[in-house]
Amino acid sequence: SQTIHQWPATLVQPVGSPLSLECTVEGTSNPNLYWYRQAAGRGLQLLFYSVGIGQISSEVPQNLSASRPQDRQFILSSKKLLLSDSGFYLCAWSSQGSQPQHFGDGTRLSIL
Amino acid sequence: DAKTTQPPSMDCAEGRAANLPCNHSTISGNEYVYWYRQIHSQGPQYIIHGLKNNETNEMASLIITEDRKSSTLILPHATLRDTAVYYCIVRAYNNNDMRFGAGTRLTVKP
Repeated sequence: SQTIHQWPATLVQPVGSPLSLECTVEGTSNPNLYWYRQAAGRGLQLLFYSVGIGQISSEVPQNLSASRPQDRQFILSSKKLLLSDSGFYLCAWSSQGSQPQHFGDGTRLSIL
Repeated sequence: DAKTTQPPSMDCAEGRAANLPCNHSTISGNEYVYWYRQIHSQGPQYIIHGLKNNETNEMASLIITEDRKSSTLILPHATLRDTAVYYCIVRAYNNNDMRFGAGTRLTVKP
C-alpha cells in the first residue's frame, strides 16, 4: 500500500531563517505531488504541485519554492522566512485523473 | 469548481448513523464529489468519492441525488473517534486544487 511521510512534525524558526520541509511517498510510481498550507481555522491553500521530476507549478506567488529532485520526493523551501509563513504545511499525493489526493500528517511551522 | 455548502456543526449519538449533508447546486458534469475529514492537528483523511452513482466503502457511504445537486455522507455506526471536521469538495477530474471550505464539525457524543 502507499504511504506518505512528512517531516519534521513541528518546527519553530526565527524570522529570516531558511526552511526545508521534505515529503516522500512510498508504494507508487510517478505520483502527482502537492504542497498545501492551512492557516489557523481556515481552509487549505494549494501552494505548489508537480506532475513529474523537475516539473513544478506554483499557485501562489510568495517567498516559498518547491523542488522535486526524485520521483517520490517533494521539498518545500524558503531562503528567508516571514512571520506570515507560519501555518500547517501539508504534502499530498495522487495518481492521475479523478483519483483522490492523500495527505501526510503535516508540519506545524511557527515563526518567531 | 462548484461551491459547496455544509452545516457548520452537527452532533450524533455514539452507535447511531451520522448523516452529513452537502449542497453543490452548481456542479458540472465532469465534477466529482469528494469527502475528507480532519481530526485536530492531523492531515485530512480521504473518505470516499463519487461522480453520480452511490458509493460505499469500509468507512462510509456516499449518496448523490439524481440531479447531483446535493449529497450525503453516511457513517453507519458513529464512534467517538469519528469526531472531526468533515469536508465536502467538488472537483473536476483534471483540477489539481482540492478546495477545502469550512466543513462540518461532527461531534459524536456517548
